[in-house]
Amino acid sequence: AQKITQTQPGMFVQEKEAVTLDCTYDTSDQSYGLFWYKQPSSGEMIFLIYQGSYDEQNATEGRYSLNFQKARKSANLVISASQLGDSAMYFCAMREGYNNNDMRFGAGTRLTVKP
Amino acid sequence: GAGVSQSPRYKVAKRGQDVALRCDPISGHVSLFWYQQALGQGPEFLTYFQNEAQLDKSGLPSDRFFAERPEGSVSTLKIQRTQQEDSAVYLCASSLPQGFSGNTIYFGEGSWLTVV
Repeated sequence: AQKITQTQPGMFVQEKEAVTLDCTYDTSDQSYGLFWYKQPSSGEMIFLIYQGSYDEQNATEGRYSLNFQKARKSANLVISASQLGDSAMYFCAMREGYNNNDMRFGAGTRLTVKP
Repeated sequence: GAGVSQSPRYKVAKRGQDVALRCDPISGHVSLFWYQQALGQGPEFLTYFQNEAQLDKSGLPSDRFFAERPEGSVSTLKIQRTQQEDSAVYLCASSLPQGFSGNTIYFGEGSWLTVV
């Protein structure tokens, strides 16, 4: 069963505007971590932001914030003040429980920032 | 080094050829992962090491795939008798020891394998 769902294959945003990339997840564990990665055309997976299942506050890292809605099992990424360099693939991922050894990724969303 | 280093960055192999992909993790990271990423898809888990022990190889697609990390640092992913469906980016990643799901996994730039 798909554990991470990203329903937006592609998104467009105007430069300097904010954009939200959707992510829903499925787990029965109480302890889990949610991650967002950016993958530019060079191929490297760049860590952006992390949200723990027990964290009460939404995570923020500079222009990135994570809109964590635990009851709905969603972990949307919000990018504020989009820049041309934000154009890339974005992946949502989850790591479950303790002593886990796997990180499950969604299919990704391709973000294009228009000038 | 400062980050996860992978080599070669690009590899073209003839069908049936054996290939070896190398990964040098971040210093101090005992956990090491291999992922396979097909074009247009998210990474798929292949295998995991904690130090030199391969604790999970459930994601390896066939017995043609073999990974090792003999001294608990550098790892090699070997693919025998390559087939066209093996064409993908192979991502290596490392993290601090397990025990907490919040340990971030840091990725290398990947090895792009094309089988012709």
